[in-house]
Amino acid sequence: KQEVTQIPAALSVPEGENLVLNCSFTDSAIYNLQWFRQDPGKGLTSLLLIQSSQREQTSGRLNASLDKSSGRSTLYIAASQPGDSATYLCAVGLTGGFKTIFGAGTRLFVKA
Amino acid sequence: DAGVTQSPTHLIKTRGQQVTLRCSPKSGHDTVSWYQQALGQGPQFIFQYYEEEERQRGNFPDRFSGHQFPNYSSELNVNALLLGDSALYLCASSSTRATQYFGPGTRLTVL
Repeated sequence: KQEVTQIPAALSVPEGENLVLNCSFTDSAIYNLQWFRQDPGKGLTSLLLIQSSQREQTSGRLNASLDKSSGRSTLYIAASQPGDSATYLCAVGLTGGFKTIFGAGTRLFVKA
Repeated sequence: DAGVTQSPTHLIKTRGQQVTLRCSPKSGHDTVSWYQQALGQGPQFIFQYYEEEERQRGNFPDRFSGHQFPNYSSELNVNALLLGDSALYLCASSSTRATQYFGPGTRLTVL
């Protein structure tokens, strides 16, 4: 059974700091991995999608990496801003089906 | 181009009642997935619809059912509501196995 874990559960950093969010999964048989952002009480906004054959994806100040063999992904946020404050969720798409399994998220607070 | 839309935004029901939630996918998307998100947790996969058929189901009881229409819009029905069904219900659309785009969600409160 695939399990997705995100560490840390919560993080508070000063503005301008570079930071790394971690995601681990127990079964390497994944089709893709996606990072999302969620503001309180709102839907999810897609940040980056990494296919299983890829190692990383970049968008602006965000960089996501994927290491299937070790069951890990990281989301790197450069030069954090107060507007980055949100919950960040990672989700794995499973092979052999169409399920997506989410982690519980990391709540990020960037202090001005 | 409108993104994924969901209705209603909020809903209050009592135990034992039935509820129907609606989702319109992003233009060009043919796949709709439904998720339940309890407070402080990640979304839990309920099921996915493609070509008007339920293609995959998560670990949810039969009280949860759905439908997809020829225009790809979808409904989620929940019967015999329990207090534990209170959650944010999210709809996501995609082309198969591509990036999922989420709607704003429907907040369901069961009293």
